[in-house]
Amino acid sequence: QSALTQPPSASGSPGQSVTISCTGTSSDVGGYDYVSWYQQHPGKAPKLIIYEVSKRPSGVPDRFSGSKSGNTASLTVSGLQAEDEADYYCSSYAGSSNLLFGTGTKVTVL
Amino acid sequence: EVQLVESGGGLVQPGGSLRLSCAVSGFTFSDQYIDWVRQAPGKGLEWVGRTTNKATGYTTGYAASVKGRFTISIDDSINSLYLQMNSLKTEDTAVYYCARRNYNRFDYWGQGTLVTVSS
Repeated sequence: QSALTQPPSASGSPGQSVTISCTGTSSDVGGYDYVSWYQQHPGKAPKLIIYEVSKRPSGVPDRFSGSKSGNTASLTVSGLQAEDEADYYCSSYAGSSNLLFGTGTKVTVL
Repeated sequence: EVQLVESGGGLVQPGGSLRLSCAVSGFTFSDQYIDWVRQAPGKGLEWVGRTTNKATGYTTGYAASVKGRFTISIDDSINSLYLQMNSLKTEDTAVYYCARRNYNRFDYWGQGTLVTVSS
């Protein structure tokens, strides 16, 4: 199974929105509503920010939102803030208790 | 407070072996799936493998890249998970994280332990 496909980079000015895509197949992203998104700052462990396509864990700002259409999931960060500059990874259940990660997207706040 | 703490990383020669540990606290170890995820320097996250919970027999599963070389084991008497890594290759160099899987999302992660495979 190959990694899910994400754009290598995305950027926006403070206050703007940025959307990151995560493309898989009908065997993973398209087949299950178990898409998660993780934020990772340099030298730190990943942090869960979206799960089950569009749900936010307690404490995650509502500036972060997720959606899915077919085999592609998306993460939108609205009202960009300096602290949102990080790497973002999607993940999807792929059957047989296996999980796939995306290739990762570096978000830069201009 | 939920905590996962990895240990055991270090420098090992190609072809060698290493065993990583993951000590967990703050939740009932036997109730949860726990996974290993790795990240090569400057690269993305890669799922390595997982163990299911006690109710499903602590069943293990592995990524194709490590299957046959890596083995996950558990000692639930001390709330610990292990990753035995054999026949190590330079491409196994990475930070290795253990993470709690909750309905196919990783809600808690350890801080990671660095494994370097080099001669």
